[in-house]
Amino acid sequence: NAGVTQTPKFQVLKTGQSMTLQCAQDMNHEYMSWYRQDPGMGLRLIHYSVGAGITDQGEVPNGYNVSRSTTEDFPLRLLSAAPSQTSVYFCASSYSLGGLAGYYEQYFGPGTRLTVT
Amino acid sequence: RKEVEQDPGPFNVPEGATVAFNCTYSNSASQSFFWYRQDCRKEPKLLMSVYSSGNEDGRFTAQLNRASQYISLLIRDSKLSDSATYLCVVIRSGTASKLTFGTGTRLQVTL
Repeated sequence: NAGVTQTPKFQVLKTGQSMTLQCAQDMNHEYMSWYRQDPGMGLRLIHYSVGAGITDQGEVPNGYNVSRSTTEDFPLRLLSAAPSQTSVYFCASSYSLGGLAGYYEQYFGPGTRLTVT
Repeated sequence: RKEVEQDPGPFNVPEGATVAFNCTYSNSASQSFFWYRQDCRKEPKLLMSVYSSGNEDGRFTAQLNRASQYISLLIRDSKLSDSATYLCVVIRSGTASKLTFGTGTRLQVTL
């Protein structure tokens, strides 16, 4: 049982480039989410999904796209990277019985450290 | 004003000491509360939920004060391994899919 996996661990992009951060979980969790963590800001929710085919915006969605075609995978796409997107990105998953995902333990992946120059 | 506020610390305490952190939240509709622990350059992990009546897990005690809108975490008999950042998490009523994290309080336990 690998839990939540994220790739890559580190990435350097130039301004304007696009890329996809991968996230996968093998716990059959309905709920998956993406956060970014910046110094002094805490973790901020980017996008989340309560099941395959369903996604919604979090607190800071601009510049990011997501899709959820399977229960296991929840990739995050940066459309045109900007220096302001330099951050550590965490993917998380949890159960979501009755739509109450927040009440369950969130399992986080190890993170992707992204630098945009 | 941030929705969830924490003293960033660091709190430097000797091994064996008792230390307490507070976390204040601004939205009175907040419904559920948690403490997560994050080691340096690692992912957050759930430490404990916070119940209205207060709850204890070994050396850790969590309390909720709805009237003053804060939650607390008390660590007794601190160990070196308790050194980490402690994140306060709040869920507002009606938004059970959105967690709001505080910026975290850093604890350093020394010999």
